Amino acid sequence: DVKVTQSSRYLVKRTGEKVFLECVQDMDHENMFWYRQDPGLGLRLIYFSYDVKMKEKGDIPEGYSVSREKKERFSLILESASTNQTSMYLCASSFGQAGQPQHFGDGTRLSIL
Amino acid sequence: AQKVTQAQTEISVVEKEDVTLDCVYETRDTTYYLFWYKQPPSGELVFLIRRNSFDEQNEISGRYSWNFQKSTSSFNFTITASQVVDSAVYFCALSEPLFIGTASKLTFGTGTRLQVTL
Repeated sequence: DVKVTQSSRYLVKRTGEKVFLECVQDMDHENMFWYRQDPGLGLRLIYFSYDVKMKEKGDIPEGYSVSREKKERFSLILESASTNQTSMYLCASSFGQAGQPQHFGDGTRLSIL
Repeated sequence: AQKVTQAQTEISVVEKEDVTLDCVYETRDTTYYLFWYKQPPSGELVFLIRRNSFDEQNEISGRYSWNFQKSTSSFNFTITASQVVDSAVYFCALSEPLFIGTASKLTFGTGTRLQVTL
Protein backbone atom coordinates (compact mmCIF):
# COMPACT_ATOMS: atom_id res chain seq x y z
CA ASP A 1 0.00 0.00 0.00
CA VAL A 2 1.05 3.55 -0.70
CA LYS A 3 1.93 5.46 2.42
CA VAL A 4 2.02 9.24 2.56
CA THR A 5 2.92 10.50 6.00
CA GLN A 6 2.42 14.03 7.24
CA SER A 7 4.43 15.00 10.28
CA SER A 8 1.57 16.43 12.38
CA ARG A 9 -2.20 15.89 12.53
CA TYR A 10 -2.78 19.09 14.50
CA LEU A 11 -0.62 22.17 14.80
CA VAL A 12 -1.14 25.51 16.53
CA LYS A 13 1.15 28.42 15.71
CA ARG A 14 1.18 32.17 16.21
CA THR A 15 0.91 34.95 13.67
CA GLY A 16 4.29 35.81 12.18
CA GLU A 17 5.92 32.46 12.94
CA LYS A 18 7.69 30.46 10.26
CA VAL A 19 5.89 27.13 9.96
CA PHE A 20 7.13 23.90 8.41
CA LEU A 21 4.83 21.09 7.30
CA GLU A 22 6.58 17.89 6.34
CA CYS A 23 5.43 15.10 4.04
CA VAL A 24 7.11 11.79 3.26
CA GLN A 25 6.04 9.13 0.75
CA ASP A 26 7.38 5.60 0.48
CA MET A 27 6.42 4.66 -3.08
CA ASP A 28 9.19 6.34 -5.08
CA HIS A 29 6.63 8.68 -6.67
CA GLU A 30 7.97 11.37 -8.97
CA ASN A 31 5.25 13.92 -8.23
CA MET A 32 4.31 15.47 -4.92
CA PHE A 33 1.65 18.07 -4.15
CA TRP A 34 0.44 20.35 -1.39
CA TYR A 35 -3.23 21.32 -1.15
CA ARG A 36 -5.28 23.24 1.33
CA GLN A 37 -8.88 22.35 2.04
CA ASP A 38 -11.42 24.89 3.21
CA PRO A 39 -15.18 24.47 3.71
CA GLY A 40 -17.13 25.23 0.55
CA LEU A 41 -13.97 25.64 -1.52
CA GLY A 42 -12.86 22.05 -1.91
CA LEU A 43 -9.15 21.36 -2.37
CA ARG A 44 -6.90 23.97 -3.89
CA LEU A 45 -3.39 23.33 -5.15
CA ILE A 46 -0.66 25.38 -3.48
CA TYR A 47 2.56 23.96 -4.99
CA PHE A 48 3.72 20.80 -6.66
CA SER A 49 7.01 19.16 -7.51
CA TYR A 50 7.75 16.78 -10.38
CA ASP A 51 11.34 15.96 -9.43
CA VAL A 52 13.94 16.57 -6.77
CA LYS A 53 14.65 20.31 -6.38
CA MET A 54 11.95 21.11 -8.97
CA LYS A 55 8.90 23.04 -7.86
CA GLU A 56 6.05 24.82 -9.53
CA LYS A 57 3.31 27.15 -8.28
CA GLY A 58 -0.23 25.94 -8.12
CA ASP A 59 -3.36 28.06 -7.89
CA ILE A 60 -2.73 29.76 -4.52
CA PRO A 61 1.03 29.97 -3.84
CA GLU A 62 1.06 33.37 -2.15
CA GLY A 63 2.47 33.23 1.35
CA TYR A 64 3.92 29.75 0.87
CA SER A 65 7.13 28.16 -0.34
CA VAL A 66 8.24 24.55 -0.71
CA SER A 67 11.36 22.45 -0.62
CA ARG A 68 12.15 19.07 -2.15
CA GLU A 69 15.72 18.05 -1.39
CA LYS A 70 15.01 14.31 -1.52
CA LYS A 71 12.59 12.40 -3.72
CA GLU A 72 10.54 11.07 -0.83
CA ARG A 73 10.16 14.33 1.10
CA PHE A 74 8.22 17.50 0.26
CA SER A 75 8.02 20.36 2.73
CA LEU A 76 5.57 23.24 2.80
CA ILE A 77 6.76 26.45 4.45
CA LEU A 78 4.65 29.32 5.66
CA GLU A 79 7.17 32.13 5.68
CA SER A 80 5.23 34.37 8.09
CA ALA A 81 2.04 32.71 9.22
CA SER A 82 -1.19 34.67 9.11
CA THR A 83 -4.65 33.87 10.43
CA ASN A 84 -6.03 33.38 6.91
CA GLN A 85 -3.71 30.41 6.57
CA THR A 86 -5.66 28.50 9.18
CA SER A 87 -6.79 25.47 7.23
CA MET A 88 -6.46 21.73 6.60
CA TYR A 89 -3.32 20.97 4.59
CA LEU A 90 -3.09 17.81 2.53
CA CYS A 91 -0.01 16.33 0.92
CA ALA A 92 -0.26 13.93 -2.03
CA SER A 93 2.04 11.99 -4.31
CA SER A 94 1.73 10.16 -7.62
CA PHE A 95 3.69 8.37 -10.30
CA GLY A 96 4.69 10.40 -13.33
CA GLN A 97 2.49 8.79 -16.00
CA ALA A 98 -0.60 10.61 -17.21
CA GLY A 99 -3.73 9.98 -15.23
CA GLN A 100 -2.09 8.36 -12.26
CA PRO A 101 -4.11 8.77 -9.08
CA GLN A 102 -2.78 10.97 -6.34
CA HIS A 103 -2.44 9.35 -2.94
CA PHE A 104 -3.02 11.54 0.08
CA GLY A 105 -1.72 11.79 3.60
CA ASP A 106 -3.95 12.13 6.67
CA GLY A 107 -3.79 15.92 6.60
CA THR A 108 -2.54 18.55 9.03
CA ARG A 109 -5.09 20.81 10.65
CA LEU A 110 -3.20 24.05 11.17
CA SER A 111 -4.48 26.85 13.38
CA ILE A 112 -2.80 30.25 13.33
CA LEU A 113 -3.64 32.36 16.38
CA ALA B 1 -10.66 26.12 -17.61
CA GLN B 2 -11.65 22.83 -16.12
CA LYS B 3 -14.49 22.65 -13.67
CA VAL B 4 -16.14 19.97 -11.56
CA THR B 5 -19.60 20.47 -10.09
CA GLN B 6 -21.07 18.42 -7.30
CA ALA B 7 -24.44 20.05 -6.85
CA GLN B 8 -25.45 17.94 -3.85
CA THR B 9 -23.90 19.50 -0.78
CA GLU B 10 -25.29 17.01 1.70
CA ILE B 11 -27.34 13.82 1.45
CA SER B 12 -28.90 11.87 4.30
CA VAL B 13 -30.13 8.31 3.87
CA VAL B 14 -31.16 5.46 6.08
CA GLU B 15 -29.00 2.36 6.09
CA LYS B 16 -29.70 -0.07 3.23
CA GLU B 17 -31.00 2.65 0.94
CA ASP B 18 -29.32 3.16 -2.42
CA VAL B 19 -27.80 6.59 -3.03
CA THR B 20 -26.34 8.29 -6.09
CA LEU B 21 -23.80 11.09 -5.91
CA ASP B 22 -23.75 13.34 -8.96
CA CYS B 23 -20.69 14.76 -10.67
CA VAL B 24 -20.68 16.99 -13.75
CA TYR B 25 -17.45 18.19 -15.33
CA GLU B 26 -16.26 20.66 -17.95
CA THR B 27 -13.11 20.30 -20.00
CA ARG B 28 -11.82 21.11 -23.47
CA ASP B 29 -9.35 18.24 -23.42
CA THR B 30 -10.13 15.13 -25.44
CA THR B 31 -8.01 13.00 -23.15
CA TYR B 32 -8.72 13.31 -19.47
CA TYR B 33 -9.20 11.27 -16.34
CA LEU B 34 -11.91 11.32 -13.73
CA PHE B 35 -11.58 10.22 -10.12
CA TRP B 36 -13.65 9.66 -7.03
CA TYR B 37 -12.20 10.05 -3.54
CA LYS B 38 -13.70 9.36 -0.13
CA GLN B 39 -12.87 11.48 2.92
CA PRO B 40 -14.07 9.84 6.15
CA PRO B 41 -14.25 11.85 9.39
CA SER B 42 -10.64 10.94 10.15
CA GLY B 43 -9.59 13.26 7.33
CA GLU B 44 -7.52 11.33 4.82
CA LEU B 45 -8.64 11.22 1.19
CA VAL B 46 -8.98 7.66 -0.05
CA PHE B 47 -8.74 6.96 -3.76
CA LEU B 48 -11.76 4.95 -5.02
CA ILE B 49 -11.67 4.86 -8.80
CA ARG B 50 -10.10 6.31 -11.94
CA ARG B 51 -11.73 6.49 -15.38
CA ASN B 52 -10.17 7.69 -18.62
CA SER B 53 -12.13 9.57 -21.26
CA PHE B 54 -11.98 6.73 -23.78
CA ASP B 55 -13.57 4.14 -21.56
CA GLU B 56 -17.28 4.65 -21.02
CA GLN B 57 -17.91 1.23 -19.63
CA ASN B 58 -19.63 1.35 -16.29
CA GLU B 59 -17.77 -0.19 -13.40
CA ILE B 60 -18.96 -2.09 -10.37
CA SER B 61 -16.94 -2.87 -7.28
CA GLY B 62 -18.95 -4.57 -4.60
CA ARG B 63 -21.64 -2.13 -3.46
CA TYR B 64 -20.09 0.70 -5.46
CA SER B 65 -20.80 1.46 -9.09
CA TRP B 66 -19.90 4.29 -11.40
CA ASN B 67 -21.75 5.59 -14.46
CA PHE B 68 -19.62 7.60 -16.90
CA GLN B 69 -21.48 9.38 -19.72
CA LYS B 70 -19.47 11.63 -22.01
CA SER B 71 -22.63 12.87 -23.74
CA THR B 72 -23.76 14.57 -20.55
CA SER B 73 -20.25 15.12 -19.07
CA SER B 74 -21.23 13.21 -15.98
CA PHE B 75 -19.51 10.65 -13.79
CA ASN B 76 -22.00 9.56 -11.14
CA PHE B 77 -21.33 7.29 -8.19
CA THR B 78 -23.92 4.93 -6.72
CA ILE B 79 -23.71 3.14 -3.41
CA THR B 80 -26.09 0.21 -3.16
CA ALA B 81 -27.44 -0.86 0.22
CA SER B 82 -25.64 1.94 2.05
CA GLN B 83 -24.02 1.33 5.42
CA VAL B 84 -23.10 3.62 8.30
CA VAL B 85 -19.41 3.17 7.38
CA ASP B 86 -20.15 4.88 4.06
CA SER B 87 -20.68 8.16 5.90
CA ALA B 88 -18.04 10.52 4.54
CA VAL B 89 -17.45 13.39 2.18
CA TYR B 90 -17.05 12.22 -1.40
CA PHE B 91 -15.08 14.21 -3.95
CA CYS B 92 -15.15 13.95 -7.71
CA ALA B 93 -12.00 15.18 -9.48
CA LEU B 94 -10.83 15.82 -13.04
CA SER B 95 -7.21 15.49 -14.14
CA GLU B 96 -5.56 17.88 -16.55
CA PRO B 97 -1.95 17.67 -17.70
CA LEU B 98 0.23 20.52 -16.51
CA PHE B 99 2.83 20.08 -19.26
CA ILE B 100 5.47 20.61 -16.61
CA GLY B 101 7.46 17.49 -16.02
CA THR B 102 4.98 14.66 -15.81
CA ALA B 103 2.59 16.18 -13.32
CA SER B 104 -1.15 16.35 -13.69
CA LYS B 105 -3.41 18.67 -11.77
CA LEU B 106 -6.57 17.51 -10.09
CA THR B 107 -9.51 19.87 -10.14
CA PHE B 108 -11.85 18.88 -7.33
CA GLY B 109 -15.52 19.44 -6.86
CA THR B 110 -16.63 20.91 -3.56
CA GLY B 111 -17.68 17.50 -2.27
CA THR B 112 -20.90 15.80 -1.18
CA ARG B 113 -21.33 14.93 2.47
CA LEU B 114 -23.14 11.60 2.83
CA GLN B 115 -24.72 10.77 6.16
CA VAL B 116 -26.00 7.22 6.60
CA THR B 117 -28.07 6.58 9.71
CA LEU B 118 -29.51 3.45 11.28
